[in-house]
Amino acid sequence: EDKVVQSPLSLVVHEGDTVTLNCSYEVTNFRSLLWYKQEKKAPTFLFMLTSSGIEKKSGRLSSILDKKELFSILNITATQTGDSAVYLCAVYNAGGTSYGKLTFGQGTILTVHP
Amino acid sequence: DTEVTQTPKHLVMGMTNKKSLKCEQHMGHRAMYWYKQKAKKPPELMFVYSYEKLSINESVPSRFSPECPNSSLLNLHLHALQPEDSALYLCASSQVRQNNEKLFFGSGTQLSVL
Repeated sequence: EDKVVQSPLSLVVHEGDTVTLNCSYEVTNFRSLLWYKQEKKAPTFLFMLTSSGIEKKSGRLSSILDKKELFSILNITATQTGDSAVYLCAVYNAGGTSYGKLTFGQGTILTVHP
Repeated sequence: DTEVTQTPKHLVMGMTNKKSLKCEQHMGHRAMYWYKQKAKKPPELMFVYSYEKLSINESVPSRFSPECPNSSLLNLHLHALQPEDSALYLCASSQVRQNNEKLFFGSGTQLSVL
């Protein structure tokens, strides 16, 4: 069974801090790892990583994948209160049939205080 | 337009009621999904439609009945639900082949079964 484990489960920081969120996985037929941000309802896409060692960046957010050690990190620098959300890691199992499956980790709840 | 629109946003129903959740996207995506998310848990896959045909049913009880009338619309028909079915129901869409793991989510329908 595919498994995605995120840590920490929750994190409280102050504005301006830098945070690192972790995601480890065990999945057969790995194809990609995705990060989503869920504020109220809709998870919004942040990054998709397929290759090891290549950092993806978007503003203050960055992420990297290590396919050998089966983990990914999501970094947020100079945090703002608007970064408060649940951050979900998901891994895609390409599957043996015509369609694969996205398995989500339990999420990290990030709270940024002013 | 990168939106997935879900209606209604909130729904309260009794165990004998019949109701439907609706989802619409105009991104030209030919894969559409239903996920169920309980409080403080990650989204769990229920159904996948590919080219308007049901591709995956994750052993969902028959009181949930999906329907994909065309490439832009996805419905979830609900009948004789149980209180434990109360959850956030998320619709998502994606491309079918390349990058099909990159899902775009709607804001969800918060369902309460009394």
